[in-house]
Amino acid sequence: DSGVTQTPKHLITATGQRVTLRCSPRSGDLSVYWYQQSLDQGLQFLIQYYNGEERAKGNILERFSAQQFPDLHSELNLSSLELGDSALYFCASSVRGDQETQYFGPGTRLLVL
Amino acid sequence: QQQVKQSPQSLIVQKGGISIINCAYENTAFDYFPWYQQFPGKGPALLIAIRPDVSEKKEGRFTISFNKSAKQFSLHIMDSQPGDSATYFCAASMNSGYSTLTFGKGTMLLVSP
Repeated sequence: DSGVTQTPKHLITATGQRVTLRCSPRSGDLSVYWYQQSLDQGLQFLIQYYNGEERAKGNILERFSAQQFPDLHSELNLSSLELGDSALYFCASSVRGDQETQYFGPGTRLLVL
Repeated sequence: QQQVKQSPQSLIVQKGGISIINCAYENTAFDYFPWYQQFPGKGPALLIAIRPDVSEKKEGRFTISFNKSAKQFSLHIMDSQPGDSATYFCAASMNSGYSTLTFGKGTMLLVSP
């Protein structure tokens, strides 16, 4: 158990809908990362937050947004969902947000029908 | 643009054999190279990592070999065991004040009993 929790574990929704994925980092970790994992693209970095501030952006679509709250939990919002958004979404956390171990949560499996 | 290329996509090794997974990178600014291990239904977990100031790092049965001039690094699993059956991801990042990992597409390893 990495200490990172993600909810929900599974999510089934329809195209055009909006969903929110939630992540609680390990105790003491200030940085949160979001990744998308699909069979053809592998693990793609979406966005990083550090202590409530956005720190880095990767291949995140404009339909997607995220935030990190004062208690350090983070939410990833996915809107106008398309079939191609079906994937595993992982949250990871680390202490400082630099070159150090990232601890991954168990992921949220999103299926868009 | 895939900045970290990983091969092979899948690998079958007999118990007790050596598993070798290779990665090549393009960005010479990368200076941190971790390997992550992912079991089905779980998030990735850090296995071992190397920085370019050394050519090899060993932790138990796992060894990273690093060739800076060729921009390649590889994971060797000695005495492979069925419990090593998992997907392995190489990754790279640069020390630019924050650390975002660029992952390879993964290698699915199956160690046959």
